[in-house]
Amino acid sequence: EAEVAQSPRYKITEKSQAVAFWCDPISGHATLYWYRQILGQGPELLVQFQDESVVDDSQLPKDRFSAERLKGVDSTLKIQPAELGDSAMYLCASSFGQAQETQYFGPGTRLLVL
Amino acid sequence: QKEVEQNSGPLSVPEGAIASLNCTYSDRGSQSFFWYRQYSGKSPELIMFIYSNGDKEDGRFTAQLNKASQYVSLLIRDSQPSDSATYLCAVRGNNRLAFGKGNQVVVIP
Repeated sequence: EAEVAQSPRYKITEKSQAVAFWCDPISGHATLYWYRQILGQGPELLVQFQDESVVDDSQLPKDRFSAERLKGVDSTLKIQPAELGDSAMYLCASSFGQAQETQYFGPGTRLLVL
Repeated sequence: QKEVEQNSGPLSVPEGAIASLNCTYSDRGSQSFFWYRQYSGKSPELIMFIYSNGDKEDGRFTAQLNKASQYVSLLIRDSQPSDSATYLCAVRGNNRLAFGKGNQVVVIP
């Protein structure tokens, strides 16, 4: 069964350091999403790609976060510099299209900033 | 007002009973509705989606949608210990999926 792949699964870093997360969506899925989930809360959208284009990054803290999907397949989310409040689960999801399409989540990357 | 609200606290149900979860949403133009299950430390996995008013059944799960009242619910029949998890309600509007904070369900053997 096709799955969304993410790495690393766990990351511990010190504040002010840079971190990067990688996501490979389900093959053929044009839409890719990065979410952040704080413990006890639901996932919150950070950025949405349609192929290689950003269609929604309104909730992305652009002073420290960046995301790219250069060839419209896999994607990287970067935080520089990391802050204590960035400790969370970072989830990648993909869907075949944008409208009405079900999103499938990867296993997530749990980030701890010390 | 949050876009998607799941307000009830942890729900404890005996094994074999029915668990009932509710969710309300604020955007009247929302078109599609999803329930995800999330085990502790894991990522959300899709249980069901519903687009039209009424009930939709899939195995032991039933989703109910009432657009006029802006709520969606999930029933879990014959609850099993493996159903113990957090259930996330998600609503799509304006091409964005908004999640509630989730409801924890504990099934007691």
